[in-house]
Amino acid sequence: NAGVTQTPKFRVLKTGQSMTLLCAQDMNHEYMYWYRQDPGMGLRLIHYSVGEGTTAKGEVPDGYNVSRLKKQNFLLGLESAAPSQTSVYFCASSRDSSGITDTQYFGPGTRLTVL
Amino acid sequence: AQSVSQHNHHVILSEAASLELGCNYSYGGTVNLFWYVQYPGQHLQLLLKYFSGDPLVKGIKGFEAEFIKSKFSFNLRKPSVQWSDTAEYFCAVNVPNSGYALNFGKGTSLLVTP
Repeated sequence: NAGVTQTPKFRVLKTGQSMTLLCAQDMNHEYMYWYRQDPGMGLRLIHYSVGEGTTAKGEVPDGYNVSRLKKQNFLLGLESAAPSQTSVYFCASSRDSSGITDTQYFGPGTRLTVL
Repeated sequence: AQSVSQHNHHVILSEAASLELGCNYSYGGTVNLFWYVQYPGQHLQLLLKYFSGDPLVKGIKGFEAEFIKSKFSFNLRKPSVQWSDTAEYFCAVNVPNSGYALNFGKGTSLLVTP
């Protein structure tokens, strides 16, 4: 039982390049989230999904797209990377909506640098 | 808008000292409150959570937090810190209208010196 995994762990991009971050969970969780963590800012929500095939915008969605084609996977895409997207990205998941008070489980993070 | 404020950005303590980290939130309805910890180079782990019931919540590694509804506060405490408690601590609140995503405070960096 791996929990929440993220691929890749590190990446360096040039401005304008695109990439996709993969999050996978093996806990059969309904809800999945993408956050970014910046120094002194805490974690901020980028996008989230409350079920397979559904996505919604969070606090800082600009420049990102997401897809949830399979329940266990949540992909975060950067269409045209900018230096302002240099950050550590965390994926998280939580259980069915009937457990609205459930804990979120976090992945190990992806450290992205955009030059 | 819902927000979470952590009062201390950087805290330095000696081993065996007592710890209290402040957290206040602004939200008028029912809230679910969390403290997460991030050890250097690691991902976030849940320390403790409050949903309802006893306002004094005990978590892992000897941490506890007290929910005071009248003060909109959820302060984290530990009677005697250890060097291994060096980490960043985040207070967070559920956001019901965003798929119960977490709204985090900006974090408190704790350094425990031997």
